Formats: sequence, structure tokens, C-alpha cells
Amino acid sequence: NAGVTQTPKFQVLKTGQSMTLQCAQDMNHEYMSWYRQDPGMGLRLIHYSVGAGITDQGEVPNGYNVSRSTTEDFPLRLLSAAPSQTSVYFCASSYGIAPPYEQYFGPGTRLTVT
Amino acid sequence: AQTVTQSQPEMSVQEAETVTLSCTYDTSESDYYLFWYKQPPSRQMILVIRQEAYKQQNATENRFSVNFQKAAKSFSLKISDSQLGDAAMYFCAYSSGSGGGADGLTFGKGTHLIIQP
Repeated sequence: NAGVTQTPKFQVLKTGQSMTLQCAQDMNHEYMSWYRQDPGMGLRLIHYSVGAGITDQGEVPNGYNVSRSTTEDFPLRLLSAAPSQTSVYFCASSYGIAPPYEQYFGPGTRLTVT
Repeated sequence: AQTVTQSQPEMSVQEAETVTLSCTYDTSESDYYLFWYKQPPSRQMILVIRQEAYKQQNATENRFSVNFQKAAKSFSLKISDSQLGDAAMYFCAYSSGSGGGADGLTFGKGTHLIIQP
């Protein structure tokens, strides 16, 4: 198993540009989520999905869009990048909402918006 | 909303010694889960240990153990026989038990652990 994969690893955007961060998992996990990590902060939840076709907002959803058309993929879209979105982005997945469960994290994407 | 507080931005310990990282949390729920994650310079988030709130027994994983004080809402991590590979950021995290934690993990700001050789 490749686990949770994220592409790209690094990205530089100009303000106003759009892009999609890719996340895929091959563990047949129902639950997937996106977090951002800023300096001096822990991870904060952006969006999550409990299954294909179902998504919901987390703590910091503004400026981001998600969809879940398949179990494997959960892309995160930045519609109009802003410098405040400079961060490291992590995708995570887990078997589901039945405890106990472990969230498996991808390697992260470092995004810089200039 | 739940909050997680790690009051030690940085800790330093000599190799082979024991170190304890502190974490407190605030919740009105009775059913929840607590975790410690390690983040080395590679950025990868690695689960170190977890504790179910309904369990009175403290979790242990090899050199890692927790001191879970439910009434005090405290969840500290003890690392015994510290090794150079333990150097990393350590994050305490909370997950609600109601709904199975579908609304994700709430993280503290982290403690940077330095291991002195």
C-alpha cells in the first residue's frame, strides 16, 4: 500500500491564482480530511468527508473547496489564492467513524502564495 | 468547542533520560479520545500513542506512556530512555467520541523536543 499520497510536495502561487491539491489513499478508507499547519500552530481542520459524495466544513473552510467523487480521492481547491493561505497542507484518512481509529497522514504540501 | 493547550513550546532532555510533555484540554463531553503525534523534520505526522477517555488505565507503547487525569483534563506524555530519534515536534490532539470523531482532530500548538547527546 502507498498509504496517503499528496501532490505536489511544494507549490508557489501568485495571489489570485487557483490550484488543486491532490490527495489519494489506497486503504479503502471512508473518512478523509484536510488540515493546514501554520508556524507555531497545530493542525487545523479545513474540510472533511465521511464518504463519497459527502463533505462538510471544518474549523477554517473559507477560501477552500472540496468534493469527493470516489472513495480514493479527496482534492482540495483554492479558488483565488491569498497570502494568508501560505501554509503546509496535510491530507488524512481513516477507516471510518467507528472508534478506535487512527488517522493516517500524507506527507504534506508546502504552499507559498506571493 | 474543545481546546487543547500545550504550555511548553520547547523542552530539552539529555539522551537516555526521561522527559514529560504536558497537555491540558477543555471539553464538556464525556466520550472522547486523546492522542500524541510526533512530527520529525520530515514533516510526517506519526501517531505515538492514544487514550480512550472511558479507560482508566494509562496507555503505554514501549518507551512512551501517558498520565491521563480525566478529572483534571490533563494528558501528559512521558518518554523514557530518550533517544536522538525522539527529537521532533510533539502534538497533543483531541477527538470527540460522539459521532465517532467525524469532525476531526483538535490539535495543541506543539512542543519542540530537543535531545542533547
